[in-house]
Amino acid sequence: GNSVTQMEGPVTLSEEAFLTINCTYTATGYPSLFWYVQYPGEGLQLLLKATKADDKGSNKGFEATYRKETTSFHLEKGSVQVSDSAVYFCALSAPIIQGAQKLVFGQGTRLTINP
Amino acid sequence: NAGVTQTPKFRVLKTGQSMTLLCAQDMNHEYMYWYRQDPGMGLRLIHYSVGEGTTAKGEVPDGYNVSRLKKQNFLLGLESAAPSQTSVYFCASRPTGPSSYEQYFGPGTRLTVT
Repeated sequence: GNSVTQMEGPVTLSEEAFLTINCTYTATGYPSLFWYVQYPGEGLQLLLKATKADDKGSNKGFEATYRKETTSFHLEKGSVQVSDSAVYFCALSAPIIQGAQKLVFGQGTRLTINP
Repeated sequence: NAGVTQTPKFRVLKTGQSMTLLCAQDMNHEYMYWYRQDPGMGLRLIHYSVGEGTTAKGEVPDGYNVSRLKKQNFLLGLESAAPSQTSVYFCASRPTGPSSYEQYFGPGTRLTVT
């Protein structure tokens, strides 16, 4: 089946620290991979995505590379800011019916950045 | 362009009461989805729709019904609420056609069943 496993949280870092949030997946076929971010009290926003092996998604200083050989899509940022405090979700797309795709989510990782 | 909107934002129900959550999108998307978010479990798919007049069950459909009478609206109903349905509910939509299957999410509805 399809599943996503994320690094357990919560994660607390100081401002300007390096961030890695691990994500591995199990899937049939070749899914697209996503990182979504949820700021306090808000819905999910797409942070970045990758649609095929070796693609690198990037946005707002965050990066993740689609690694088929290790079935991973780890999220990284070189220097975090207080404003990056949020919950981060790794997800993959999985087919259902009639061309529809659902998203399969990891459990989420809560990130807190201290000044 | 409002994107995906959800009504209401918060609701408290007593066990056995019913309610309907409304999702609306103005992006002319064909596909719409309802998810629930529970602590430590990510988001799980409740029901989805591939177009006006069609709906289908997701992973956790029990206790919920849906309707898609208009393309832009997707309603989620709870006929007899239970405490296990206390959750945050998110609606999402996606266009058809070649894409990365990215979904666009609403702001969520926080539901508490006492």
